Amino acid sequence: DAGVTQSPTHLIKTRGQHVTLRCSPISGHKSVSWYQQVLGQGPQFIFQYYEKEERGRGNFPDRFSARQFPNYSSELNVNALLLGDSALYLCASSLVPQGYPDTQYFGPGTRLTVL
Amino acid sequence: AQRVTQPEKLLSVFKGAPVELKCNYSYSGSPELFWYVQYSRQRLQLLLRHISRESIKGFTADLNKGETSFHLKKPFAQEEDSAMYYCALRGSGGSNYKLTFGKGTLLTVNP
Repeated sequence: DAGVTQSPTHLIKTRGQHVTLRCSPISGHKSVSWYQQVLGQGPQFIFQYYEKEERGRGNFPDRFSARQFPNYSSELNVNALLLGDSALYLCASSLVPQGYPDTQYFGPGTRLTVL
Repeated sequence: AQRVTQPEKLLSVFKGAPVELKCNYSYSGSPELFWYVQYSRQRLQLLLRHISRESIKGFTADLNKGETSFHLKKPFAQEEDSAMYYCALRGSGGSNYKLTFGKGTLLTVNP
């Protein structure tokens, strides 16, 4: 198993543009979470999806949205990009969103640069 | 609100020396605490969680509810322990779907 995969690896956009990031969870995992990691900070929670439904949302503006597909893969969309959106975007998958054992496995991330 | 504080941004020790990475948290209920590690050019991975009370790669961490701390310890550091370490908290009840991370501590183990 390749683990959690994310695409693209790197992305450069300009202010005002829109971006879509993609995540494929580990086979059998039904929950996907998205985190933003700004340089020098720890990851910050954006969304969690389970069985195609949003289970939780962090303190991010409505410009951020996500969805989960029937195969449990997920997309994170960011509209009207700002310079401050430049960050590493991490996807994590787990079997279920709660309970034990419930280890979140992280992907390698997508590095987004907004110019 | 839940918050995780890692007071040391950088920590440098010599091989064979004991190491302690500090983590303090703020949460009104019963949290679940984790340590994640990121080695150079690798993805973030779980090191240990307090609920399993395991020792992984010689590291241990005890949840101290009185001091609201979850410090990570290892009696004899190895060069391969050099990495970025993040303490994380997951709350109970309605907010237990997300991990709240600290800012991380970069550990360097010198030969």
